[in-house]
Amino acid sequence: DQQVKQNSPSLSVQEGRISILNCDYTNSMFDYFLWYKKYPAEGPTFLISISSIKDKNEDGRFTVFLNKSAKHLSLHIVPSQPGDSAVYFCAASGSNAGGTSYGKLTFGQGTILTVHP
Amino acid sequence: NAGVTQTPKFQVLKTGQSMTLQCAQDMNHEYMSWYRQDPGMGLRLIHYSVGAGITDQGEVPNGYNVSRSTTEDFPLRLLSAAPSQTSVYFCASSRGTSRYNEQFFGPGTRLTVL
Repeated sequence: DQQVKQNSPSLSVQEGRISILNCDYTNSMFDYFLWYKKYPAEGPTFLISISSIKDKNEDGRFTVFLNKSAKHLSLHIVPSQPGDSAVYFCAASGSNAGGTSYGKLTFGQGTILTVHP
Repeated sequence: NAGVTQTPKFQVLKTGQSMTLQCAQDMNHEYMSWYRQDPGMGLRLIHYSVGAGITDQGEVPNGYNVSRSTTEDFPLRLLSAAPSQTSVYFCASSRGTSRYNEQFFGPGTRLTVL
């Protein structure tokens, strides 16, 4: 049962345009969401996060939007650059019954973003 | 700082063999974890540790063993390799045990079990 889903395996955009990557989740206990970026032969690197008390978080060219009622989040990259070409993973975290979840993350399948010059 | 290092980068095993994937970090991080990445599945948590001497299971722990005798090292042991364990393995660490601390990932170990 995939609790975090990225339904688009790939996305292709032109340099300078907006890239929108989508992510859906099913577990209502998730309250903290992250995006990771991964280049080939490297480990994932943290990009941006958002807590469920917010509906938007912005960091430079990257903005994450959270729609709690729809259990949906999206990552917007504006403007897209060829160096943004990578695999993007959505991840989620939630408190367990004891109130601790440490760093346990549930990841989506990833979306391959290709930005063409 | 070297960050999170993993060895080996690649490994081929035969079914039934055992081996240890090494993970080390030089950032004095409390929290360390192991994930596996499979096509179409994203990353899944195998085991994690909140400090030396403390480990716990993640989502897919079967067939794997871990220990944490030092803050720096968190090896992952495959007891009897199976083809289903063919995957890319990532080790990660973070400064504290809070889930809000940024996690740093190693470059991965690509394991093939024949």
